[in-house]
Amino acid sequence: RKEVEQDPGPFNVPEGATVAFNCTYSNSASQSFFWYRQDCRKEPKLLMSVYSSGNEDGRFTAQLNRASQYISLLIRDSKLSDSATYLCVVQRQDTGRRALTFGSGTRLQVQP
Amino acid sequence: DGGITQSPKYLFRKEGQNVTLSCEQNLNHDAMYWYRQDPGQGLRLIYYSQIVNDFQKGDIAEGYSVSREKKESFPLTVTSAQKNPTAFYLCASSKLRESYNEQFFGPGTRLTVL
Repeated sequence: RKEVEQDPGPFNVPEGATVAFNCTYSNSASQSFFWYRQDCRKEPKLLMSVYSSGNEDGRFTAQLNRASQYISLLIRDSKLSDSATYLCVVQRQDTGRRALTFGSGTRLQVQP
Repeated sequence: DGGITQSPKYLFRKEGQNVTLSCEQNLNHDAMYWYRQDPGQGLRLIYYSQIVNDFQKGDIAEGYSVSREKKESFPLTVTSAQKNPTAFYLCASSKLRESYNEQFFGPGTRLTVL
């Protein structure tokens, strides 16, 4: 079983739609959580961190459920420019290495 | 501007040759990382370094080597022992905190073995 699992998609949605992605992680030692965005053939860039209380940044809302070990990302009022692959990322603290573990990504295609 | 640079952007290599990928950062970050990404897959950790002159193996270190002689630089050598080296290689760096270590990525190097 992969340490971080995501639905690969693609999610094809019209402009203005609301779309949600979920991600599950298997290691309870995971302490920090992030959503990264990766455009085609580019490097990943941090979209937002995910806090226990949930957090919002404009049209984007991230939630964390530690008991069920899943993370979600909600995008409201989708724009064409939101088309990308969204990577769910966790960071374990127990190993001391502080490296990130990435999911395979969920591809979003926003259509006009 | 602060950031991470990787070179070259595209690299072609013949089988049996070693090749070195460059990664430089001017963010004054202590930690640096190398990841590999294959099509349709997430990033996998090759090596990481948290301090000069020290580095650790990641999940897929076989066939790779690194050095960390300077804080700013973390070059990766792909050796002929790496069985399937064609991939997108990404270098990242971060500060070292107890928690929340945002990693910043370079633009990547696409390596193709002919």
